[in-house]
Amino acid sequence: GENVEQHPSTLSVQEGDSAVIKCTYSDSASNYFPWYKQELGKRPQLIIDIRSNVGEKKDQRIAVTLNKTAKHFSLHITETQPEDSAVYFCAAQGASGYNKLIFGAGTRLAVHP
Amino acid sequence: DAGVIQSPRHEVTEMGQEVTLRCKPISGHNSLFWYRQTMMRGLELLIYFNNNVPIDDSGMPEDRFSAKMPNASFSTLKIQPSEPRDSAVYFCASSLSGGGGYTFGSGTRLTVV
Repeated sequence: GENVEQHPSTLSVQEGDSAVIKCTYSDSASNYFPWYKQELGKRPQLIIDIRSNVGEKKDQRIAVTLNKTAKHFSLHITETQPEDSAVYFCAAQGASGYNKLIFGAGTRLAVHP
Repeated sequence: DAGVIQSPRHEVTEMGQEVTLRCKPISGHNSLFWYRQTMMRGLELLIYFNNNVPIDDSGMPEDRFSAKMPNASFSTLKIQPSEPRDSAVYFCASSLSGGGGYTFGSGTRLTVV
């Protein structure tokens, strides 16, 4: 069935360093890949997304890359700040038209001052 | 728009009682999703609707769980009877079908004692 694997499960970095989170998906028909950030006690919020016809997308300090052949995509955060500390979820959406998202298990990122 | 609205924010109930969670999607969104979040299982898709019609309820854990969407602006998730292992945060999310990300509600934190 559909599956999204996410690594690492926890990530600890020093402020100013870069952080990379990687995901792989199983459904080759997946065509939309969002990333969500969830702060403690809050809802997941969309921070960046990429569609299958694009290889890379950047928004200030965050970027996402997609390798369709290998079926994996990654989130890159540069110049990390303490407020980047949160749980990050990747997700993959199939082509069914109903927008069903399959989420990865999440990565808990801790940015230390 | 006020976003996706869920109620109640917190619910504490005794084992065996019926619990009803409510969701109002963003106006104009025609896909609605119910997720359950726990530390052990992450974000699990329970059921989703498109144009008020249930499309896939294969994620509903047991017959004790049921969901309805009587109109485009309201959905309920009911657990009857509730059990302690149902304790979790339940999120509702909505989107426009045809591809794209979700907007999540603030969630309902359910505790069954």
